[in-house]
Amino acid sequence: GQQVKQSSPSLTVQEGGISILNCDYENDMFDYFAWYKKYPDNSPTLLISVRSNVDKREDGRLTVFLNKSGKHFSLHITASQPEDTAVYLCAAGAGGGSAKLIFGEGTKLTVSS
Amino acid sequence: GPKVLQIPSHQIIDMGQMVTLNCDPVSNHLYFYWYKQILGQQMEFLVNFYNGKVMEKSKLFKDQFSVERPDGSYFTLKIQPTALEDSAVYFCASSLDRGSGNTLYFGEGSRLIVV
Repeated sequence: GQQVKQSSPSLTVQEGGISILNCDYENDMFDYFAWYKKYPDNSPTLLISVRSNVDKREDGRLTVFLNKSGKHFSLHITASQPEDTAVYLCAAGAGGGSAKLIFGEGTKLTVSS
Repeated sequence: GPKVLQIPSHQIIDMGQMVTLNCDPVSNHLYFYWYKQILGQQMEFLVNFYNGKVMEKSKLFKDQFSVERPDGSYFTLKIQPTALEDSAVYFCASSLDRGSGNTLYFGEGSRLIVV
């Protein structure tokens, strides 16, 4: 089954607005949650991550919110800019010595000017 | 930032032949990964590798697949023989340590087309 799911394949936001990207997961054992950014024909790169012992983490314009009871986490990008246009991949990992990350399908964010 | 290099970037191969995808991981990293992304689908975990051994693998890591990193050279994914359903982009990644909290650094992918 699909353990990590991004239900919105695409999102368009006006420049200056807030982009909200959502991710749902199934596995209760996940304890690490991350967002990666990918440009076409480029490698995915880590944007921000959070452990399960916190429910929010901020880094500049980026904030990750974690809702463990709802098995949901999200990425908020404030003051969205055209250069934020990319595919955003959510990922989760189970810890306990496991090194693998499970990725969602990705959401294509377009920031229009 | 740290770079993971993948060679080749593209390859077209006849079904049944062997292919080797090469990955040059970040120099001090100890954990290595392969992910597979079929067009239009999510990137799916294949395998990770540490200290000369496969640590974890998924159901997608068929018997025709093998990985190795001889003497600190390239980390390779070999498919022998290839099948049509192996057509995908294969992403290599490396991390400094294990545990899901460690950042994975990805290459740009090797696009494999099996005809």
